[in-house]
Amino acid sequence: KQEVTQIPAALSVPEGENLVLNCSFTDSAIYNLQWFRQDPGKGLTSLLLIQSSQREQTSGRLNASLDKSSGRSTLYIAASQPGDSATYLCAVADNNAGNMLTFGGGTRLMVKP
Amino acid sequence: KAGVTQTPRYLIKTRGQQVTLSCSPISGHRSVSWYQQTPGQGLQFLFEYFSETQRNKGNFPGRFSGRQFSNSRSEMNVSTLELGDSALYLCASSRGDSGANVLTFGAGSRLTVL
Repeated sequence: KQEVTQIPAALSVPEGENLVLNCSFTDSAIYNLQWFRQDPGKGLTSLLLIQSSQREQTSGRLNASLDKSSGRSTLYIAASQPGDSATYLCAVADNNAGNMLTFGGGTRLMVKP
Repeated sequence: KAGVTQTPRYLIKTRGQQVTLSCSPISGHRSVSWYQQTPGQGLQFLFEYFSETQRNKGNFPGRFSGRQFSNSRSEMNVSTLELGDSALYLCASSRGDSGANVLTFGAGSRLTVL
């Protein structure tokens, strides 16, 4: 059974810092990995999707990397802003037969002005 | 374009009652997935529908059921509600069901069971 872990559970940084969020998964035979953002009381917003054949994806100040062999992904946020404050979740799809995702517990990020 | 719409946004029920939640996917999306989010268990997959057929089902009791209509709208039903069913229920839609698709989530339906 796939298990996804995110460390740290919470993180507080001053504005402008570069930061890294970590995600690990137990079964490396994944189909893809996605990073989401969730604002309090709201749904999830997809940030980046990395296919199993890819090593990384970039969108603006965000960069996500994937190392299947070690079962790890990182989300790098450059020059953090207060508006980046949210919970960040990673999720893996174990196969291409459907959209069933296994989520990590999330990292709650606070960026202080 | 309109996003994923979930109704109702908030509801309060008592133990033993049943509840039906609705999800309208983005136009053109044929896959709808449902997830339960609680502080203790996090986000857990409930089930997925594609073209009116259930494709996958998570590890939830039979009290949790769902269906999808020909216009891709989906409903989920929880019968004989328990206190532990209090959660944010999220649905997500995507164009296909291959697992390579980006999921677009709705804002969720927050269920409180008293």
